[in-house]
Order: sequence, then structure tokens, then C-alpha cells
Amino acid sequence: KAGVTQTPRYLIKTRGQQVTLSCSPISGHRSVSWYQQTPGQGLQFLFEYFSETQRNKGNFPGRFSGRQFSNSRSEMNVSTLELGDSALYLCASSPWLLTGNEQFFGPGTRLTVL
Amino acid sequence: DQQVKQNSPSLSVQEGRISILNCDYTNSMFDYFLWYKKYPAEGPTFLISISSIKDKNEDGRFTVFLNKSAKHLSLHIVPSQPGDSAVYFCALDDGQKLVFGQGTRLTINP
Repeated sequence: KAGVTQTPRYLIKTRGQQVTLSCSPISGHRSVSWYQQTPGQGLQFLFEYFSETQRNKGNFPGRFSGRQFSNSRSEMNVSTLELGDSALYLCASSPWLLTGNEQFFGPGTRLTVL
Repeated sequence: DQQVKQNSPSLSVQEGRISILNCDYTNSMFDYFLWYKKYPAEGPTFLISISSIKDKNEDGRFTVFLNKSAKHLSLHIVPSQPGDSAVYFCALDDGQKLVFGQGTRLTINP
């Protein structure tokens, strides 16, 4: 079974631009979650999508948004990029709802904002 | 407000000895606790978990201990092997999302 895939793997943008990251979950998995990893902060939860609906959202500004398609693939969008948005963005999928279940992570997208 | 803290950013252990990684939390509402391991350029991979109704769970060389009264979680690896060198994250499930610690970089020395 193929793992979670994320595209692109690396991205360089400038302040003020917007970016869209993509995540394809493991086949059959319906929950997709997004995390931001920065040095010293660990992984911070952005949001979870289940059956095309945002189920939970972390403490991030409205510039961070996402969506999930009927095939469970998910996209994350960040508008008006700031230098502090430079981070590794990780996507994780699980068969059912996030809580109480093991999550399977993709390799991440490294975003650099100049 | 850090709900989950891994106070040791790094840990160095000799091959064959025991590695003990620690995690402290502040919220008593967590009901499921997990450990993930992360190698460079890869996403975290699930290692072991424990529910709040237990105080110990074992899987091969890995054992997780939960002390609810002290709000403390630990991961024991014995014996430690060079392939265990990675960053380890504890993750706590609050019923709506996972809350991760900052991670501990474990280095196993030959």
C-alpha cells in the first residue's frame, strides 16, 4: 500500500505571496490532518478534515485554510505569506477520525519564505 | 501555553544501555498517549501508544509508562541500538486533536 504523499517537497516563496500544498492520504483513509513543524515548537496542529468537512482547527490565523476532496486528497493554502511561515508542513492520514487512532505521516513540504 | 513538554532537547546514550525519554503534561483531559519517531527528511512514524486506563504498555524493546497522578509519560528503549538515533515526539490526544511535545533528539553512541 502506498504511503502518504505530499507535493511539492520543497518550496520557496516571497512575503505576500500565497501557496498551496497538496496531500494524498493512504488509500481508504478518510481523515487528513495538517501540522506545522518549526524548530523548538514541535508539531503544531493546523486542522483535520474528515469526509470533506473540517472537523477541528488549531490556533492559527485565518490565512491558513484547507479543504478535502471526495477522494480524500487534501490541500492546504496559506495566503499573504510571512517570514514566520517558514516551516515543515506535515500531512497525516488515518482510517477513521483522528482521535484514538494512529496517524500515518507524509514526508512533509519544506516551505521557505524570503 | 505549552500543554506538553519534553524538557530534554537532546539525549546521548551508549549502545546496549537503556534510553529513557520523558514527557510532562498539564491537562488531565488527555485520554490517549502516543510516541512517534522521526528521521531526517521523513515524516514521523508511530512507535507505541497507551490509553489513560493503563500505566504500562510494552512492545519489544519499547515500553511506555504513564503516571497520571504526576502527569508524566516516559518511553524506555532497551537495549538501545544505533538505528534508534532519531527525534522522538510524545503526542497526547485530547479527544479532538493530537498535541505534540517539542521533541527529544536521541543519539546512540557505539
